[in-house]
Amino acid sequence: SQTIHQWPATLVQPVGSPLSLECTVEGTSNPNLYWYRQAAGRGLQLLFYSVGIGQISSEVPQNLSASRPQDRQFILSSKKLLLSDSGFYLCAWTDSPSRDRGFGYTFGSGTRLTVV
Amino acid sequence: GNSVTQMEGPVTLSEEAFLTINCTYTATGYPSLFWYVQYPGEGLQLLLKATKADDKGSNKGFEATYRKETTSFHLEKGSVQVSDSAVYFCALITGFQKLVFGTGTRLLVSP
Repeated sequence: SQTIHQWPATLVQPVGSPLSLECTVEGTSNPNLYWYRQAAGRGLQLLFYSVGIGQISSEVPQNLSASRPQDRQFILSSKKLLLSDSGFYLCAWTDSPSRDRGFGYTFGSGTRLTVV
Repeated sequence: GNSVTQMEGPVTLSEEAFLTINCTYTATGYPSLFWYVQYPGEGLQLLLKATKADDKGSNKGFEATYRKETTSFHLEKGSVQVSDSAVYFCALITGFQKLVFGTGTRLLVSP
């Protein structure tokens, strides 16, 4: 079966420190992968998406970057965190069979990041 | 561009009350429409979906009908429970495969 793992679940980091959030998918090949952020009191904002290894599209200019070193691994990073980077980060994936069945995306359980 | 507009929350109801959460959309082409639910402290779960006009998605007593003429996908439930308290997101996806969300509506159900 297909599963998605996202870690850590919670993270408290000081301003100016680096960040690395990891997301891995099992049970599918060549998925589309996505990073979303949910800031307090706001909706879900698409940050990055990837349709293949090494291919990253950025939706919003910001302090963050993403990488896809393997087919089913998606990493969200920052060299120096800002207070405004605090939020709930969600990884998601979809593939052709899921889309054909109209399932949309499957989401990970999220990482709550607090920058202090 | 594509966008989704949801009613502002929070929506506060008593148990067994009728629920409606409004959702309208703007999209090029023919989007698929979704409702996702986020329970406290968790990620998003797909609640229901509709892929073409006049389709009705349903799950766990929730229903939503894809209305192309009014570009709407309102979520309804006849009798809410305390366990339905969560944030509900309306979303659409087009051929470009980018899921676009509304801002979410928090539902609070009291006993």
